[in-house]
Amino acid sequence: TQLLEQSPQFLSIQEGENLTVYCNSSSVFSSLQWYRQEPGEGPVLLVTVVTGGEVKKLKRLTFQFGDARKDSSLHITAAQPGDTGLYLCAGVEYGNKLVFGAGTILRVKS
Amino acid sequence: NAGVTQTPKFRILKIGQSMTLQCAQDMNHNYMYWYRQDPGMGLKLIYYSVGAGITDKGEVPNGYNVSRSTTEDFPLRLELAAPSQTSVYFCASSGITYEQYFGPGTRLTVT
Repeated sequence: TQLLEQSPQFLSIQEGENLTVYCNSSSVFSSLQWYRQEPGEGPVLLVTVVTGGEVKKLKRLTFQFGDARKDSSLHITAAQPGDTGLYLCAGVEYGNKLVFGAGTILRVKS
Repeated sequence: NAGVTQTPKFRILKIGQSMTLQCAQDMNHNYMYWYRQDPGMGLKLIYYSVGAGITDKGEVPNGYNVSRSTTEDFPLRLELAAPSQTSVYFCASSGITYEQYFGPGTRLTVT
């Protein structure tokens, strides 16, 4: 099973600041997914990136898949309190299982 | 369209008791999964299924069992509950893209 390292583990910022969350592996994934989880709920899929070098934007969120498909990043511009939550990356192994990173807890203070 | 449903939402078990966590999906997904999530942590895969009648172990299968008699249902069985099984359990399903649709979770405490 491949491992996904996510950093930072915890991030506490002020409203309006920018931030980046990283997801790294030494192995190649066929695709990579980002989820957001709010307290007491299940994770919800934000985006899937498939092609090396791919960049996807979702309003203030920008997702990038590394050229070698081993790493990914999530950048949030002008964070808002509503962005608070646990952000999880998940790599799809060549097969039918996902490997989840440990998650980044984001807290945005108003 | 309910998506993925899980019951119960909360449960307290005594050590050594058994229980079944129920999971159902109405999206006709072939793939179904059980994860556990400990406080402030990511998800660990317990068991998964690629279709009715087919199940396989994930990262942390010890102490759990599953069955998949229909496409819709994927129950998780705890035979002899232990304090180490205190966690939040999530069921998920996916289609061929492996994009996971999660249920609301079951919060289990073993004392």
